[in-house]
Amino acid sequence: DTAVSQTPKYLVTQMGNDKSIKCEQNLGHDTMYWYKQDSKKFLKIMFSYNNKELIINETVPNRFSPKSPDKAHLNLHINSLELGDSAVYFCASSQKLGYYNEQFFGPGTRLTVL
Amino acid sequence: SQQGEEDPQALSIQEGENATMNCSYKTSINNLQWYRQNSGRGLVHLILIRSNEREKHSGRLRVTLDTSKKSSSLLITASRAADTASYFCLNRHAGGTSYGKLTFGQGTILTVHP
Repeated sequence: DTAVSQTPKYLVTQMGNDKSIKCEQNLGHDTMYWYKQDSKKFLKIMFSYNNKELIINETVPNRFSPKSPDKAHLNLHINSLELGDSAVYFCASSQKLGYYNEQFFGPGTRLTVL
Repeated sequence: SQQGEEDPQALSIQEGENATMNCSYKTSINNLQWYRQNSGRGLVHLILIRSNEREKHSGRLRVTLDTSKKSSSLLITASRAADTASYFCLNRHAGGTSYGKLTFGQGTILTVHP
């Protein structure tokens, strides 16, 4: 069974559209994250949720809105997509929010904005 | 420049050789983790070293941490072609929320030739 899953794996869309990426973890973890990996492979945290509560919200345009219906799911909705949003988006989870927790990553969603 | 810089950016070696990657950071950290990313895949946790630890081993991996130099190194001994991947350090340091900030290094692309 996949521990952290994301859908879709690939997403190609036009500028200005709204799209969502879904993430689910079956590890029973409390904390989930969204990361963005750009074309140079640089990874940056976007959001972190702990038990459905937003904990970390880095400087991300408010076109990006995470939603956590329960602690096993953290979805990412993006409004008015721009060319610069093209990247690979990774969801991750960790057992707790504490300092010493390894993160488990999903396979990524490659978003291409045309 | 950003927190979490790695060198070299790319490393090419022959199977059986050792590979050493370095990660530097700017502010005091709580812990530092190393992750591997195979092409087109999510990240996989390798090892975590706490700020009060100086060295940790896991199989063919050895991680050192020098807090006075604000740097860490990952050594892979007797490398194999399957070790070909990108390697990232992730550190958690003070800032942002009470749970700190998470920052990835820029990554080292390791190629091991058979």
